[in-house]
Amino acid sequence: EVQLLESGGGLIQPGGSLRLSCAASGFTFSNYAMSWVRQAPGKGLEWVSAISGGDSTYYADSVKGRFTISRDNSKNTLFLQMNSLRAEDTALYYCAKERRVVVAATNYMDVWGKGTTVTVSS
Amino acid sequence: QSVLTQPPSASGTPGQRVTISCFGSSSNIGSNTVNWYQQLPGTAPKLLIYSHNQRPSGVPDRFSGSKSGTSASLAISGLQSEDEADYYCAAWDDSLNGRVFGGGTKLTVL
Repeated sequence: EVQLLESGGGLIQPGGSLRLSCAASGFTFSNYAMSWVRQAPGKGLEWVSAISGGDSTYYADSVKGRFTISRDNSKNTLFLQMNSLRAEDTALYYCAKERRVVVAATNYMDVWGKGTTVTVSS
Repeated sequence: QSVLTQPPSASGTPGQRVTISCFGSSSNIGSNTVNWYQQLPGTAPKLLIYSHNQRPSGVPDRFSGSKSGTSASLAISGLQSEDEADYYCAAWDDSLNGRVFGGGTKLTVL
């Protein structure tokens, strides 16, 4: 069974840093691109970042320069390093598997984790 | 303000057919495929429709998608109470070089 399990969320002060992880199982991790999507409390979905099966990365303008997506294919794990956190980064962060190894316009997210909560507050 | 525009709410009675629209532009829907996600209350999103009108295994054929120009639609026929959820459209945006979502439509089954 394909599973994604996010971890690393918590309460952090504005300006702080946090590293999210997403442990993948049930599929050949390196063969698929991966994404992070977030959902602020009571709000809609917002795509945050994506990474190909290799190392091509893509970011939403709202996080560019502050967040870094990476992956360790040997450990089947996806990461999101979040720096210079702001109150508006408060959200439930989902990890999602993409349908193909590349990040492409024809792609879509076919499996989602349950999410990990990040709260940025003093 | 979302790049893709959806109505914030929709409703219908059991057995009815409802349609949810998604409006974009030439840089997203106009040139790329559209996907739809269903988010039941308190749960993670789930892929509902991909590539405009394809259903993943397990999704009932009551759900269908279409695209015309820079807009897309999700249709749900034979509405059931378990269809009550938030629905999101999504597409790649060539100008932003990233994926964009609609603001979501909350479907209520009366």
